[in-house]
Amino acid sequence: AQKVTQAQTEISVVEKEDVTLDCVYETRDTTYYLFWYKQPPSGELVFLIRRNSFDEQNEISGRYSWNFQKSTSSFNFTITASQVVDSAVYFCALSLYSSASKIIFGSGTRLSIRP
Amino acid sequence: GAVVSQHPSWVICKSGTSVKIECRSLDFQATTMFWYRQFPKQSLMLMATSNEGSKATYEQGVEKDKFLINHASLTLSTLTVTSAHPEDSSFYICSARGDRALEQYFGPGTRLTVT
Repeated sequence: AQKVTQAQTEISVVEKEDVTLDCVYETRDTTYYLFWYKQPPSGELVFLIRRNSFDEQNEISGRYSWNFQKSTSSFNFTITASQVVDSAVYFCALSLYSSASKIIFGSGTRLSIRP
Repeated sequence: GAVVSQHPSWVICKSGTSVKIECRSLDFQATTMFWYRQFPKQSLMLMATSNEGSKATYEQGVEKDKFLINHASLTLSTLTVTSAHPEDSSFYICSARGDRALEQYFGPGTRLTVT
């Protein structure tokens, strides 16, 4: 069975601190995709990144960076120099190539950035 | 990126009535659409997958007679909540995927409140 675990339910940090959101996934498939989405209070999902299972290169996009490690089945997300606008719920998700793009979401991490 | 709209953005209805939610892909043809439900402070749960012109595939535990899904064209899918009850109150989100595309594009969601 496929599963995505986000053990951190809520995180609160002071602005400008770095914060890492953890994500651990389970699947027996060898071809899959991992995602991170941001859900601000408005509710609309914002796509942040997609990574396929064959690409373990870490990625950096501005203040955001992602660390994909197949050996530990983890796909962690780090925000550097956090800002109040980063406050949102963040979801890690998994999609199997074999299952017609069905996305399995983790339970989400609510991130609060205090000024 | 591609745009997916949902209508209405919010709706309040009385118990026992039916409500229809529309999901439209505005600038691409969506061969597959997905419907998710999100209860407050919870994750997104996939309800069903619909392919244009064919019957929807429902996830385990989702009542297909209660949540009617129609995907009659390549740009429109509808979700009808029949005989709604207060426990159906939730945030309903659709996503759409084009042919041969990996990306799913999410709509802004519809907040349903059943009184």
